[in-house]
Parts: sequence; C-alpha cells; structure tokens
Amino acid sequence: TQLLEQSPQFLSIQEGENLTVYCNSSSVFSSLQWYRQEPGEGPVLLVTVVTGGEVKKLKRLTFQFGDARKDSSLHITAAQPGDTGLYLCAGALVPGGYNKLIFGAGTRLAVHP
Amino acid sequence: DSGVTQTPKHLITATGQRVTLRCSPRSGDLSVYWYQQSLDQGLQFLIQYYNGEERAKGNILERFSAQQFPDLHSELNLSSLELGDSALYFCASSVGSGQQGNTIYFGEGSWLTVV
Repeated sequence: TQLLEQSPQFLSIQEGENLTVYCNSSSVFSSLQWYRQEPGEGPVLLVTVVTGGEVKKLKRLTFQFGDARKDSSLHITAAQPGDTGLYLCAGALVPGGYNKLIFGAGTRLAVHP
Repeated sequence: DSGVTQTPKHLITATGQRVTLRCSPRSGDLSVYWYQQSLDQGLQFLIQYYNGEERAKGNILERFSAQQFPDLHSELNLSSLELGDSALYFCASSVGSGQQGNTIYFGEGSWLTVV
C-alpha cells in the first residue's frame, strides 16, 4: 500500500481538454512536491507546496495543497501533447524531510493531438 | 540535461551476480541520493550521502550498499542479485543536505535487468 495514492493511474485525453490529477494520503505531510517524468529521463521538479490551502500556478498548471496537508491536486488547463508524461507527487513527512521523499505511484498522462 | 550523470545506462546480468552503478552529481552538489523505480513499487528512496557521509537511509536492502567518494561521485553496489531487483535505479543530487528544500535533480537512470 502506497502512503501517497495517486489517481487516476492513467489518463488519455485530447489536446485542449482540462484535467485534474489527485494525490491523497491519510498522513499529514510537511510539504508536497510534484514532478514530471518523461520516458528515458528522471523526474523533474515542477513545484513545492508547503502551506495548507496553498495554490501555486505554473503557466497552465495549477497546484493545490489541501487544508489539512494530506492531499494535493494538479490541474492542467488546455492540455497540450507536450504535457504527456508521468506525473509524480512526493511528500516530506517532517519539516525539512526533502532528503527522504515518499513518492506516489504516479499518473501517466497521454495528450493526443 | 539535469547535470547528473549515471553509468551504465543499461545492464543485464544473471541472478546471484554483483553490479556497481556509478553516479556523478551536478557540479557543486554535495548530496547524492539513490532511488529505485520499479513497476510494482514506484519510486523508492534507498539512501543519501552528504559530503562523503551517509545522511539518510530508506528502504535499502542489506544486499545493497553505497558510498560517496572524496570527489563526490557515488557508487551503488548491488549483490546477490535476484529477479526482483530488476528496476530503474536513479541517482539524484542537491546542493544542500536536502533539509533546506533545495531542488533535487535526477539523472537519467540505470536500467538493471536481472535474468
């Protein structure tokens, strides 16, 4: 059982659609990060959220940390083929625990032209 | 290109054998992390070294060991290999000890297949 559960596992959409992926846990996290991993490459950090209720935007991507710091969501507006990849959430259980990140299993997104 | 270099990129070996994976961190980074990514377990933290010393330990098996050398490169040694050790092994690095929120940069990984 994963400490961080991501849903959906797979998502296949058309270019221009909106989507939301979720990262949930029964545990409280000090901070949460989102990564994107493309085939043949390592994960790349997109954002870090540290405060309950925090919302961060990165162009068409909107990240939210739940008020209780147990969950997070990633919303993509008007998805593009370049958004295709594996989206991973990762949490730090304790303040400053970035050196022992716990990763979810990921959401594999495919955006078709 | 993250600046983290891992070798080899692909490795096929038999059960019971021993392999060594090598990692060169980004220039200036003092921390090296090792992660294992498999289909059933996802990305799992194995171990971290900071400036030559072990800093944090995760789900690393006793058959596995790692070290960081004075030039800051790191090696992950996997011994008595089993079929279940087949996975993608990532090295990552960061400037600090990982407790300050410094960005962690991942290499492209080493694919290990045990047959």
